[in-house]
Amino acid sequence: AQSVSQHNHHVILSEAASLELGCNYSYGGTVNLFWYVQYPGQHLQLLLKYFSGDPLVKGIKGFEAEFIKSKFSFNLRKPSVQWSDTAEYFCAVNAFNYGGSQGNLIFGKGTKLSVKP
Amino acid sequence: DGGITQSPKYLFRKEGQNVTLSCEQNLNHDAMYWYRQDPGQGLRLIYYSQIVNDFQKGDIAEGYSVSREKKESFPLTVTSAQKNPTAFYLCASNSPGGAVRQPQHFGDGTRLSIL
Repeated sequence: AQSVSQHNHHVILSEAASLELGCNYSYGGTVNLFWYVQYPGQHLQLLLKYFSGDPLVKGIKGFEAEFIKSKFSFNLRKPSVQWSDTAEYFCAVNAFNYGGSQGNLIFGKGTKLSVKP
Repeated sequence: DGGITQSPKYLFRKEGQNVTLSCEQNLNHDAMYWYRQDPGQGLRLIYYSQIVNDFQKGDIAEGYSVSREKKESFPLTVTSAQKNPTAFYLCASNSPGGAVRQPQHFGDGTRLSIL
């Protein structure tokens, strides 16, 4: 079965530190990849997505992610975090079945990011 | 503004009682989804519907039921058969968009607790 792994349950950083959140998925075929963010008390929002093309994807608020197909990874990065980045981050994968149809979105368990001012 | 509206924001259920969570969208999306979010578990798919009058079970459908009589609405009923209903429930929608599935938009969620 397809699965998504997020390596860190909780990450604590100081402002201006660099961020990298790991995401690995288990599926050998074509995938669409997403990172969602959930700020405290708010709904899930799309941070960035990868469908095809340039494997380095830029999203909102200075976030970027790199799709490395050989490593089945889609890690999220930000060079310098701010206190306002405190949130929970979810990686999600939408796999294309071998028959060509799309499967459902599979979410990782999430990583809580706490940024100390 | 277009979006997804979930109501109520907080809901309390007594033992043995069915409750229904509302989800309405005005984004003209064909597909709608219900997820359950538990701490440390991420989001798990309960039910989804790609088109009106059709829906499919997700990974954890037991104890839940849905209907899709209108494109805009996808209510979720948590039945008394669901033994551990306390969770945060999220509704989402998207347009499948042919070959490329579009990102899902999410509502603000409903937090269900057992009295």
